[in-house]
Amino acid sequence: GESVGLHLPTLSVQEGDNSIINCAYSNSASDYFIWYKQESGKGPQFIIDIRSNMDKRQGQRVTVLLNKTVKHLSLQIAATQPGDSAVYFCAETGNQAGTALIFGKGTTLSVSS
Amino acid sequence: DTGVSQDPRHKITKRGQNVTFRCDPISEHNRLYWYRQTLGQGPEFLTYFQNEAQLEKSRLLSDRFSAERPKGSFSTLEIQRTEQGDSAMYLCASSLAVRDEQYFGPGTRLTVT
Repeated sequence: GESVGLHLPTLSVQEGDNSIINCAYSNSASDYFIWYKQESGKGPQFIIDIRSNMDKRQGQRVTVLLNKTVKHLSLQIAATQPGDSAVYFCAETGNQAGTALIFGKGTTLSVSS
Repeated sequence: DTGVSQDPRHKITKRGQNVTFRCDPISEHNRLYWYRQTLGQGPEFLTYFQNEAQLEKSRLLSDRFSAERPKGSFSTLEIQRTEQGDSAMYLCASSLAVRDEQYFGPGTRLTVT
């Protein structure tokens, strides 16, 4: 069935390091992927997205990489800051874009200064 | 602040009572989604609207759950005869039909005692 999962439930880094958060998806027909950041007590915050016709997309301090061969998605955060501490979710729209998002369980990123 | 608002932010109710939550999407967004999030999990899709039409509701958790978007603007989610298992964060998101990224509100945290 369709599912989106993450490799590690927690990731601890030092301030200034680069962080890499990974996600594996199972639906090879998925054509759109999103990364969200969720702080405690708040709703998910859109970070960056990527379509299946791309393998890399960059934003401000963040890069998303998509490897369709192994159905793997990653989020790279450059120069990680304490304010980046949160739970990160990847999500996909499965076969149909613009409808329901399917979320994984999330990775908790802890940044120590 | 994404521009999506939800009310109330917190709701404590006794088992068996009915509750209603409201979501106000970003004003030009014609798609509106409801999700449920339990502790430690990613959001789980419930239903979505395009304008006032409810296009997907098969994933509502039971017939005690219903949602409306009567004028294609704000939406309400009602849970009848609440049960302790309904305790969760209820999230609303909105998007433009021609774009895929969904923007989430802060959520309504429901506690059923």
